[in-house]
Amino acid sequence: DGGITQSPKYLFRKEGQNVTLSCEQNLNHDAMYWYRQDPGQGLRLIYYSQIVNDFQKGDIAEGYSVSREKKESFPLTVTSAQKNPTAFYLCASSTRLAGNQETQYFGPGTRLLVL
Amino acid sequence: GENVEQHPSTLSVQEGDSAVIKCTYSDSASNYFPWYKQELGKGPQLIIDIRSNVGEKKDQRIAVTLNKTAKHFSLHITETQPEDSAVYFCAASIWGYQKVTFGTGTKLQVIP
Repeated sequence: DGGITQSPKYLFRKEGQNVTLSCEQNLNHDAMYWYRQDPGQGLRLIYYSQIVNDFQKGDIAEGYSVSREKKESFPLTVTSAQKNPTAFYLCASSTRLAGNQETQYFGPGTRLLVL
Repeated sequence: GENVEQHPSTLSVQEGDSAVIKCTYSDSASNYFPWYKQELGKGPQLIIDIRSNVGEKKDQRIAVTLNKTAKHFSLHITETQPEDSAVYFCAASIWGYQKVTFGTGTKLQVIP
């Protein structure tokens, strides 16, 4: 069964703690993305990776870090430097369709809450 | 960079009526426009998309129109059903750049 999985579904962070959100895909997609979603707002891009061992900052990368050691995996670490981490985090992946356009497919999300 | 505006932010319709959500974009180089549906507590799911070489696309009760000159595109849902209730996002992207800019979302409520 192909798709994108994210874990955990809910995550609690204490002050000064780093936490890591998992994202795995078995769609054989080259590109992967992390978005943050806040109530009443659209999706804001944190980081994206077009290929293994390469990634770029998105619009709101401060306080976050990523790695892309495997094609299937793109974990996101929310560091203590991120002062307002409470949000819904979405992972996505994409590949080039016929005609060279990309469509992004999303995982189910992880809700991060601060204790 | 690209800026996508989406209206309205909330929309209530009676079951069976039509719903229209409108988006405008700023970068004339954008050439791919997907629409996503997000149910509560879940990730967005692609429902329809349109490319700049097409003016309209239809899939059963859902249609999307694109006006490149005016730089706006719209989602039309006919014969709405309660299960259509969700948040809908429009988006725009440029070929070769894998960054997608999303609108702020429209919460659609279909009243039985």
